[in-house]
Amino acid sequence: GESVGLHLPTLSVQEGDNSIINCAYSNSASDYFIWYKQESGKGPQFIIDIRSNMDKRQGQRVTVLLNKTVKHLSLQIAATQPGDSAVYFCAEIEWEDSSYKLIFGSGTRLLVRP
Amino acid sequence: ETGVTQTPRHLVMGMTNKKSLKCEQHLGHNAMYWYKQSAKKPLELMFVYNFKEQTENNSVPSRFSPECPNSSHLFLHLHTLQPEDSALYLCASSQEAGGSYEQYFGPGTRLTVT
Repeated sequence: GESVGLHLPTLSVQEGDNSIINCAYSNSASDYFIWYKQESGKGPQFIIDIRSNMDKRQGQRVTVLLNKTVKHLSLQIAATQPGDSAVYFCAEIEWEDSSYKLIFGSGTRLLVRP
Repeated sequence: ETGVTQTPRHLVMGMTNKKSLKCEQHLGHNAMYWYKQSAKKPLELMFVYNFKEQTENNSVPSRFSPECPNSSHLFLHLHTLQPEDSALYLCASSQEAGGSYEQYFGPGTRLTVT
């Protein structure tokens, strides 16, 4: 049969507007979350993280919101710029004994229109 | 640059070839990871090494063989691969500090199996 690539949700925004990228996570026991940005031809780059004892954390032009009740995470980018065009991944931490691993979501593609 | 380098950046190999991917981190981290990123699936964790000891083997076929000679270097030995193994292979490193579990990714090796 024909191979089908992973369909990434795409968010298209006008330059200068704010962007909101959403993520649902699965493990209610997860106590740490990260957002990564991946530009074409590069590896994922850290944007911001948040612990489960927080609802909100702000960085430079970015804000992460955590809603533990509905297991939802969002990344808000203020005044979106062309350089923000990339695929954005959320990840939750999973512990096993004293070691951990990050479980990544499938990603959202952000396109910034000039 | 993230402090994690990977070579080669691109590799084309036949199904009967043997090749190795190399990763080096210059960050003094104690954990290193191999991930597979394909068009069909989200970022998949393959192997984890903590202090040179393998702590995770995520049901990866034996045609992928990791090696971690020291905490700065990680290899992925490849033999008798299949076309479905074509993907971007990402290396990452981390060291938990101050409650941050950020993983630093290299640029990846784009592997094509013919």
